[in-house]
Amino acid sequence: QQPVQSPQAVILREGEDAVINCSSSKALYSVHWYRQKHGEAPVFLMILLKGGEQKGHDKISASFNEKKQQSSLYLTASQLSYSGTYFCGTESGTASKLTFGTGTRLQVTL
Amino acid sequence: DAGVIQSPRHEVTEMGQEVTLRCKPISGHDYLFWYRQTMMRGLELLIYFNNNVPIDDSGMPEDRFSAKMPNASFSTLKIQPSEPRDSAVYFCASTWRGVDTIYFGEGSWLTVV
Repeated sequence: QQPVQSPQAVILREGEDAVINCSSSKALYSVHWYRQKHGEAPVFLMILLKGGEQKGHDKISASFNEKKQQSSLYLTASQLSYSGTYFCGTESGTASKLTFGTGTRLQVTL
Repeated sequence: DAGVIQSPRHEVTEMGQEVTLRCKPISGHDYLFWYRQTMMRGLELLIYFNNNVPIDDSGMPEDRFSAKMPNASFSTLKIQPSEPRDSAVYFCASTWRGVDTIYFGEGSWLTVV
């Protein structure tokens, strides 16, 4: 079953923060985050493995709460280049079978 | 590294015609995935292979769809006969389990009229 993301869409002014949530009905082994720009392929951002770790690079970070089967992506001081659709991908049970969420469209404006 | 290579990038075909999409994974990767992306359904996993063997094809919509991986460097996704509802972007992706990052090709944009 497809993980559910929220919000579906968000518009930010440059410099503002955003949080994107990903929720699954299944026990998760890992959560992947990808960003896709219009007309391009999804690009890997980060992976979080079972264990509740938090990861991040630059101003983008993520957390994984395996008990709640949820992950959140944090975008801090957003830049125009952050615009795109963000997908979470979850692995549960069968290793390497990545099921993508519904997507969150993020637009950063001046 | 050249990345995952897909062909054709764009294809327009008439309903009823056979469509073959091709993929060359990144050298050394042992997993290959075929995804379909539409506005309505998002990114759907159709089938994936491990060491050239199909592991899970539960996402393949119906018998009109078939996929093969004859060797470690080549895979095809075939639709026969094609229908307008098959119009979508088809992504091929690959990974090596030790890395976990899945790398996507640039996609094949299919339009069936």
